[in-house]
Amino acid sequence: GQQLNQSPQSMFIQEGEDVSMNCTSSSIFNTWLWYKQDPGEGPVLLIALYKAGELTSNGRLTAQFGITRKDSFLNISASIPSDVGIYFCAGPAGGTSYGKLTFGQGTILTVHP
Amino acid sequence: DTEVTQTPKHLVMGMTNKKSLKCEQHMGHRAMYWYKQKAKKPPELMFVYSYEKLSINESVPSRFSPECPNSSLLNLHLHALQPEDSALYLCASSQQASGIYGYTFGSGTRLTVV
Repeated sequence: GQQLNQSPQSMFIQEGEDVSMNCTSSSIFNTWLWYKQDPGEGPVLLIALYKAGELTSNGRLTAQFGITRKDSFLNISASIPSDVGIYFCAGPAGGTSYGKLTFGQGTILTVHP
Repeated sequence: DTEVTQTPKHLVMGMTNKKSLKCEQHMGHRAMYWYKQKAKKPPELMFVYSYEKLSINESVPSRFSPECPNSSLLNLHLHALQPEDSALYLCASSQQASGIYGYTFGSGTRLTVV
């Protein structure tokens, strides 16, 4: 089935630094989704991308849909302590997997004040 | 209302108990999902309901039994669970089963089987 390879697995940064993480796939995705999960909570949708090459921002977050449709990037600028959490990329599977959401393994972000 | 509400938030149950997890949404979404999540891992799909009909069962053991009484409610009935079933159980909904607009997740039920 479709798989998403997300990196890095974890990041330890100082407050104020910028963060970059990415997701790659061996197959094409027509939609890329980025979620954040706080401890003890469910994932929350941050950004949805629908077109190859699309660049979308949500406050300090910027995400891009790769031109090959096989990758996506999430950047966080000027990190703050509340950015701590796990970030997941995800994409709706198609074909015989219709109805499933494929998740990356997640990037655990720690921000030191 | 833009939320998915899950109850209870925490549940401890013995291996011989029967319990149920509940999920409710009033966004008019027609697809609802159950996911299981272990610590620091991505959510794993268990069941998909589309228009109140079970459309996907990811080979989940029969000790987990889903039910969709109407378009707003989703239940997960639990019976004779094992300690390895301890996890965060997440409910989610989407406008339609394609999921292209993303899922809205609930806060989850933290289940501990003793």
